[in-house]
This record gives sequence, structure tokens and C-alpha cells, in this order.
Amino acid sequence: LAKTTQPISMDSYEGQEVNITCSHNNIATNDYITWYQQFPSQGPRFIIQGYKTKVTNEVASLFIPADRKSSTLSLPRVSLSDTAVYYCLVGVVYDYKLSFGAGTTVTVRA
Amino acid sequence: NAGVTQTPKFQVLKTGQSMTLQCAQDMNHEYMSWYRQDPGMGLRLIHYSVGAGITDQGEVPNGYNVSRSTTEDFPLRLLSAAPSQTSVYFCASSYSLGQGEDTQYFGPGTRLTVL
Repeated sequence: LAKTTQPISMDSYEGQEVNITCSHNNIATNDYITWYQQFPSQGPRFIIQGYKTKVTNEVASLFIPADRKSSTLSLPRVSLSDTAVYYCLVGVVYDYKLSFGAGTTVTVRA
Repeated sequence: NAGVTQTPKFQVLKTGQSMTLQCAQDMNHEYMSWYRQDPGMGLRLIHYSVGAGITDQGEVPNGYNVSRSTTEDFPLRLLSAAPSQTSVYFCASSYSLGQGEDTQYFGPGTRLTVL
């Protein structure tokens, strides 16, 4: 399994863009990059997934450089409700042993 | 769809007691899993199942048993509870086609305290 490294915490203010970078130097050819969001007292929720280049949905964007050794989750114009823990996972889509690291705690302030 | 449901929401046990955490999903997902989450830590995989009758161990399986007799249900059994099993337990399910997005859907969690 590809090991991931992401910041422990990040602070931001409402309306700003938040970018969380995840390092995964030993990513394998078949690995996908998936991000989850977890609010306190809730289970994680899928945000976005990608393999290369850029992926965008209604919630976030995911930027993946050509070497795929890192990826950046971008949350545009955050609000207080975006305060959560964000997890970066790397593995094949059907890898049933994906584990979540400690994630990045994002705190959005007014 | 109710999605993934877990019962109970809260449970207090004494050391040595046994109990079963229930998990059910109504999305006809083949893959189901159990995680535990300890304070300040991520989720660690306990056991998983790729279909009825098929289970396997995850990262931290000791002290837990699972079985999968139906597609819908995946109970987690604590055989003899220990204080080290105090945690929040999450059940998850997903499609197992291995193509495109393979999103895991998580239940609301069970907060277990072992005294």
C-alpha cells in the first residue's frame, strides 16, 4: 500500500480557498487517489477521486501532477461548515485493505 | 434507501463481557467492512467482507469476529471485551466492481466504552 503524508492541521477563514497536499512517493501504476471528509461524530464521506491531471466536482477539485507522487485537494471558498478532518487514501479501487491515516484537521474561522 | 445503519449508537460494557455490533445496508453492496477510530487517529480496518460467506482480516482483527450470512448484514462480535477496545466503530459498504469510483458509504458509528 502506498504510504501517504499530509499535514496534521490547517487553519483558514471563511471565503478563502484551502489547499491540502498529500505526498505519496511510492504510488503504484494502478493506484487511485481518493479523499474523504469526516465531521465530528460522523463517519467519513467521499469527496473526490482521481487518477491523473485534474478532477472537479461540485464540492472540490483534485490536482494530480504528471509524476503522481503528490496530489492537492482544493476546497474553494470555504465556510464554517467545511471544518472537518480530510483523509487522503491511495490504492487500487478494489483494494479492500485501504486504511485511513490521521488525516488533516481543517479549521475554518469566521 | 436507509444507507448503512448501525446499532446500537452507544454501549457500555464491563471487561470480559461479549456483545455484537450490528451493521446493515440496503444498497445491495458486495463489500462491507468494519473500522475502529480512536481519539486523534484515523480509521483502522478490523475485518472486511467481499460477499456473503467471505470474510478476511484487516489491520487490527484481534479480539473481534465477523460473519456474513447475507449481503445486507455484517455483524461484528466482541468475544471478551477489554478496555483497549474502547473506541468508535464504523461500518462501511461499497460496490466491488473495481471500476470507476468505488466509494465507501459509512454508517453513523457505535461509541463503545469498556470499563
